[in-house]
Parts: sequence; C-alpha cells; structure tokens
Amino acid sequence: GAGVSQSPSNKVTEKGKDVELRCDPISGHTALYWYRQRLGQGLEFLIYFQGNSAPDKSGLPSDRFSAERTGESVSTLTIQRTQQEDSAVYLCASSLHYQETQYFGPGTRLLVL
Amino acid sequence: DAKTTQPPSMDCAEGRAANLPCNHSTISGNEYVYWYRQIHSQGPQYIIHGLKNNETNEMASLIITEDRKSSTLILPHATLRDTAVYYCIGIILTGGGNKLTFGTGTQLKVEL
Repeated sequence: GAGVSQSPSNKVTEKGKDVELRCDPISGHTALYWYRQRLGQGLEFLIYFQGNSAPDKSGLPSDRFSAERTGESVSTLTIQRTQQEDSAVYLCASSLHYQETQYFGPGTRLLVL
Repeated sequence: DAKTTQPPSMDCAEGRAANLPCNHSTISGNEYVYWYRQIHSQGPQYIIHGLKNNETNEMASLIITEDRKSSTLILPHATLRDTAVYYCIGIILTGGGNKLTFGTGTQLKVEL
C-alpha cells in the first residue's frame, strides 16, 4: 500500500520567507510525527499529533515553527521568516497508533539561502 | 530508552549474510529493540523489531540474546541496495508518543 508521502521533495527559499511543508500519512494512521535532520546529524523531534488530542509541541525550536493536522489526515509544517539554520531535511512519520511502529516519508530537503 | 552501542562501520560482500551487532545492556523489560536504516538522502526505513523472541520478516531476521543485552540484525543475502546506515534503538511503546532518536549507527557497505 501507499506509504507516507511528503511534498515538496526539495525547497529552496530565501532568508525571511515563509515555507509550508506537507505530509500525507499512511491511511488510517492516527499518530503523526515531524522530525528535523540536519546534515550528518541524528533525528530531532519537532511535534507529535495523536487523533484529536492536543499535539505535543515540545520539540518546536522557536515560535517561527508551527504545524497543523486536519483530523487524522494531512499535516502541514510551517516555518515563518526562515533562517539559514533552518536548512535541513524535514521528515514526517506516521503510526497506526501512538504505541505502534513509525513509518517515515522521504523527507523535504529545505535550503535557506 | 536504553543506550545502544553499534560498530561504526562494517563491510559485506554482495550475496553474503550481513550480521550487524548491537549492545543494549541497560535495556528494560518492556523495551523493544527496533532496527531502522537510512539510505543516503532518503527517509529512515523500518526494518524489524522484537521484545524477547527472535523475529523474521521479508527484509531481515532479528536475533535477541536470552538476557536481552544484545541483538544481531541479519540480512541473509546482502545486495548493493542494502548499503546504508543501520540504527538499533530501544523503544518503550507507551502513551504520549515515541520520540525517536538515532545514535550514530553502523554504516554498512555492501561491495561486489
């Protein structure tokens, strides 16, 4: 079946611009996670959605970062006034339930010039 | 979650079995051993997980020692496409979501 999809696959933007990244989880998956991975680094948790519960935003690095999820489907991660240090791969993962295995999308490679 | 230790790199000839070790001596009783891999410039890919018993799926086998302090991921017939960084992590599947963190992993290089 279809896996997690993310768009765009690559995004180049200028410093100060806003960007919106999209994640389509596996159908029926109630939990959705956003992570960031800088070049050569490990995963950095950003935010977690589980069903209709309040999201866990504890990993968002600043108030320039926000994310939304419509029900148990699509999620968007928005970065306002991008900075060069925001350059990274942004990964989305979903799981059937919060206690289940996470499956990752291919990521969006963001480059802020 | 348990601290895991993996060798930084390994080589394997194509067609041979790749055996990737992982030490997790501080693993707790309800902590699963998970393996993911990341092929260059791609998102992490789930491989397999287990708690106590050995597990096998279409990708790999996972052998967990009886004391659960270590495990081995086995790719039975490695191909060039298996070249990737392999991560072994301990996960307690509890409420509140699981915020995955990867260590440095093992860079597996499969060669002709």
